[in-house]
Amino acid sequence: GAVVSQHPSWVICKSGTSVKIECRSLDFQATTMFWYRQFPKQSLMLMATSNEGSKATYEQGVEKDKFLINHASLTLSTLTVTSAHPEDSSFYICSAKGLAGRSTDTQYFGPGTRLTVL
Amino acid sequence: QKEVEQNSGPLSVPEGAIASLNCTYSDRGSQSFFWYRQYSGKSPELIMSIYSNGDKEDGRFTAQLNKASQYVSLLIRDSQPSDSATYLCAVDTGRRALTFGSGTRLQVQP
Repeated sequence: GAVVSQHPSWVICKSGTSVKIECRSLDFQATTMFWYRQFPKQSLMLMATSNEGSKATYEQGVEKDKFLINHASLTLSTLTVTSAHPEDSSFYICSAKGLAGRSTDTQYFGPGTRLTVL
Repeated sequence: QKEVEQNSGPLSVPEGAIASLNCTYSDRGSQSFFWYRQYSGKSPELIMSIYSNGDKEDGRFTAQLNKASQYVSLLIRDSQPSDSATYLCAVDTGRRALTFGSGTRLQVQP
């Protein structure tokens, strides 16, 4: 299957700082990448969708100025949580869909990043 | 009505039994269907995809699709304790992101 990596796998930061999470598709080119957040014992929540070279589309209720997404290439998307607060502590998971050669409708997930804001 | 519905469970089955997980969807035009498994504290991993009516088998897993009735199911044969996880049904409803159900928690009792 397709491999998607995320870095870091976990991060602890102080309130008010910014945290950047990277998502890479390692063996395919991703047309579209998605960012999800998941709180304990809750469902996946889609935060935003990004295409390479264009602005991300944010889901309703997700602050685009707080969660900055950059999709710099067909293999890399970053999520920056700006001025993080304890309520931003969550499990952040990226997902990618591929170009031809990989099933273009299948989403492959990264391993996730656990963010804890003190 | 949610677009993709799953019973939250937990579904408890004894080791060696068949676990049957069900999912219904509302968009009759959906063409692609997926099952993901998510262990506690981990991200979802793809188990199977299915596109045509009928059964699709992969090892101990069988996905079943009935577009007329708008349901998709996943059967796990010879269930093992290691199969204990939350199983997510996902449907391509034409949006860029798949639409996920809230998941069914499966517990396989040794």
